[in-house]
This record gives sequence, structure tokens and C-alpha cells, in this order.
Amino acid sequence: DQQVKQNSPSLSVQEGRISILNCDYTNSMFDYFLWYKKYPAEGPTFLISISSIKDKNEDGRFTVFLNKSAKHLSLHIVPSQPGDSAVYFCAASARGSNYKLTFGKGTLLTVNP
Amino acid sequence: EPEVTQTPSHQVTQMGQEVILRCVPISNHLYFYWYRQILGQKVEFLVSFYNNEISEKSEIFDDQFSVERPDGSNFTLKIRSTKLEDSAMYFCASSEAPRMNQPQHFGDGTRLSIL
Repeated sequence: DQQVKQNSPSLSVQEGRISILNCDYTNSMFDYFLWYKKYPAEGPTFLISISSIKDKNEDGRFTVFLNKSAKHLSLHIVPSQPGDSAVYFCAASARGSNYKLTFGKGTLLTVNP
Repeated sequence: EPEVTQTPSHQVTQMGQEVILRCVPISNHLYFYWYRQILGQKVEFLVSFYNNEISEKSEIFDDQFSVERPDGSNFTLKIRSTKLEDSAMYFCASSEAPRMNQPQHFGDGTRLSIL
């Protein structure tokens, strides 16, 4: 099941620079997209979301961009901080599915001091 | 900040035994979910639960699985006769309502190890 794909298993950036995490999806019924952050031995923590009627949503250092025609979304973190080092999951849901989440495999972000 | 709590954090069980995983969702949330993550794989949806009944379940959620809300606070996942392939992290999640802009909040998971 590859409905949500995160093609980069890992990403390494310098503190203070921008981190860009990418996600692609194939199911055109998805209308709500979320990013979760996960530290080892903890559950996924909700970070930011975007509905399909928007193309951008911003919350502090975190911005999510949605390109519906390309079925692509990205998470920008700027400036990146060492505490941002974690696995980031992209997830998507569709209205008709009771909003069950379909997850990508995750991208391990490492922010180096 | 309110959070979803799960117990136990780690459960070791012999194959064929029954296991019950417990969750306390956030108190004003009405929609509950179970997901699992097998080591090295994606987080997968198992089941959603609303108004004391299952609203949706995946192909993984076969007759060996059941969910229950035995009282006003707990939400449980039971696996009747465990198999080796049930070994995974099991995450409980809850949300205020099953609609857009109501994100699901996850517990820290129960690591289930089947021997």
C-alpha cells in the first residue's frame, strides 16, 4: 500500500538552516493532510495540518505546502533546531473514511549543531 | 496538556495467549482509534470506534481482534489468540470528532512481543 510516500528515509541539516521534508500521495480522495513528529519510545505528536482547500498553512517555524495538481506536500522548518531531530511522518485522510489516517514510512531528520 | 495514556508500555506474551492493551483517551474526545507499527514498517490503521461501536476496520482487524469501551474512560484492544506476526507497537489515538481540523492525538504505544 503506497498511497502516501516519503521517498527520503533521512535528511541531515545544519542548525539554523531550512529543513524541507517531502511527501507524495496517490489517492485523489484525500482531503486532509497532517505531519506528525516522533521521538524514540514516544507516540507520534501532531505538528501541523492542511486541508485540500488551502495551499499553505503556517504555525511558527513550521509551514506546510500543498500542491494538489502534483499530489505533493512538503513541510518546511525554519530555522531548524537540534531539538527538531526526530522522525517526521506525513499522513492523509479522506472524508468518507471517518478520517482514518494513512501514513508514510517517515523521514528521520537530524539537525546538527 | 491532556494526553492519551497507554498501558502497559511493554507486553510479552506466549503465542496463542490472549492479550488486552489499554488506553485512556483524552477526556472530551469522542472518536477512538487503534493503529500498529510492525518494526521497520509503516504505521497502519486497525480500527476506529465511535458511540460504542466500530465505525471502520481494516483487513488486519480480523476475528481475533476486538475493541471495547468498558467504562467512561478506558478503551481496550483485545487479541484473542496471539500470533508471532502480531508483534508490533500498538498506538491508541483519539480525536474530538471525526472531521477535518480535528487531529488525532496519539499515546506513546504498547510494545507487544509474542514469543
